[in-house]
Amino acid sequence: AQSVTQLDSQVPVFEEAPVELRCNYSSSVSVYLFWYVQYPNQGLQLLLKYLSGSTLVKGINGFEAEFNKSQTSFHLRKPSVHISDTAEYFCAVSAVQGGSEKLVFGKGTKLTVNP
Amino acid sequence: NAGVTQTPKFRVLKTGQSMTLLCAQDMNHEYMYWYRQDPGMGLRLIHYSVGEGTTAKGEVPDGYNVSRLKKQNFLLGLESAAPSQTSVYFCASSYEGQVSYNEQFFGPGTRLTVL
Repeated sequence: AQSVTQLDSQVPVFEEAPVELRCNYSSSVSVYLFWYVQYPNQGLQLLLKYLSGSTLVKGINGFEAEFNKSQTSFHLRKPSVHISDTAEYFCAVSAVQGGSEKLVFGKGTKLTVNP
Repeated sequence: NAGVTQTPKFRVLKTGQSMTLLCAQDMNHEYMYWYRQDPGMGLRLIHYSVGEGTTAKGEVPDGYNVSRLKKQNFLLGLESAAPSQTSVYFCASSYEGQVSYNEQFFGPGTRLTVL
């Protein structure tokens, strides 16, 4: 069954520093991968997704992620973070369950950007 | 466009009480979902609906019931609340069910505490 593992539950960084949030997936078939962001007291919002093609995917707010099939990873990166990037980030994979395609989420990584 | 709205935003119940959470979307989406979010657990799918009048079980359906009498509304019911159902509940909707090509749009969440 498809699943994702987010290796860090919390990541503190200083403003304008680079950040990488790690995600590894397990799947024996082709995968579709997603990153969602949840700002405090809000619902989830799609940041970016990988379906096929170029392994470097660019999303909103300056984030990008790289699909690495050999390492089964889909790490999220931003070269310079802002205070406003403080949020929880979820990696997700598509999985077929009960005949329907579903999203399976990781446990989340809380990114805290400090001044 | 209000998107996905959820009612209520907060609720405190006593063990054994019942309640219904309402989700409404104005995007004419066919698919609707109910997730629960618990610390360190990410989001887990409770029930979903592929269209008006249809519902199906997700990953953690026990203790919950759902109904989709109108296309725009998806109700989540707790018949006899238990402390283990203390969580933040998110509703989401998508145009179709293929997650790779149909973004799920999330509501702002309902924070439920069961004493």
